[in-house]
Amino acid sequence: GAGVSQSPRYKVAKRGQDVALRCDPISGHVSLFWYQQALGQGPEFLTYFQNEAQLDKSGLPSDRFFAERPEGSVSTLKIQRTQQEDSAVYLCASSLVAGTGDSPLHFGNGTRLTVT
Amino acid sequence: AQSVTQPDIHITVSEGASLELRCNYSYGATPYLFWYVQSPGQGLQLLLKYFSGDTLVQGIKGFEAEFKRSQSSFNLRKPSVHWSDAAEYFCAVGAGGTYKYIFGTGTRLKVLA
Repeated sequence: GAGVSQSPRYKVAKRGQDVALRCDPISGHVSLFWYQQALGQGPEFLTYFQNEAQLDKSGLPSDRFFAERPEGSVSTLKIQRTQQEDSAVYLCASSLVAGTGDSPLHFGNGTRLTVT
Repeated sequence: AQSVTQPDIHITVSEGASLELRCNYSYGATPYLFWYVQSPGQGLQLLLKYFSGDTLVQGIKGFEAEFKRSQSSFNLRKPSVHWSDAAEYFCAVGAGGTYKYIFGTGTRLKVLA
């Protein structure tokens, strides 16, 4: 596709359930980012991939969060034993080159996760 | 450490009026600066970016922004706002040589008919 695709668009999970969020970046984009956007806030960095290598996961809130990008394209963000504080919009973004701070990000429409 | 401040949480303007959204950043060197727009239920779309050179940059949808090093600011402007500009606007800074992007908390723009 022409843009970054995320699925599902909406996810409702009961507290304690595991969820998996998918991101299809723009083809050929080297860098992939996951951001968490709480209501009324800006995106907060979660993790960064350069191709298949996860170079930074410092933003992941806890060890319940796990991300992978095994073949350097599609990425999955998994949240285990979801808690209410995990409710947010999860945004995926990709950029063409390896992250150098000057490459614009292309965002997907996000997955809105609601934990009840 | 980098930081981005958008002092205005909400701004309301009348259609046809001019607009200025404020952004202040903190970074030791010349930053890479971006403005993104987010419509409800959508991802962020890049409006414009500044890396170097001319401090007045033009973007899509008639937006422009001016980099002022002395004020550590990168304010977004539009001469005449359209109702379709109602959205949330995010300023972001990228640190040169790294992949780190820091976003402000956003300014929600409301446009009155």
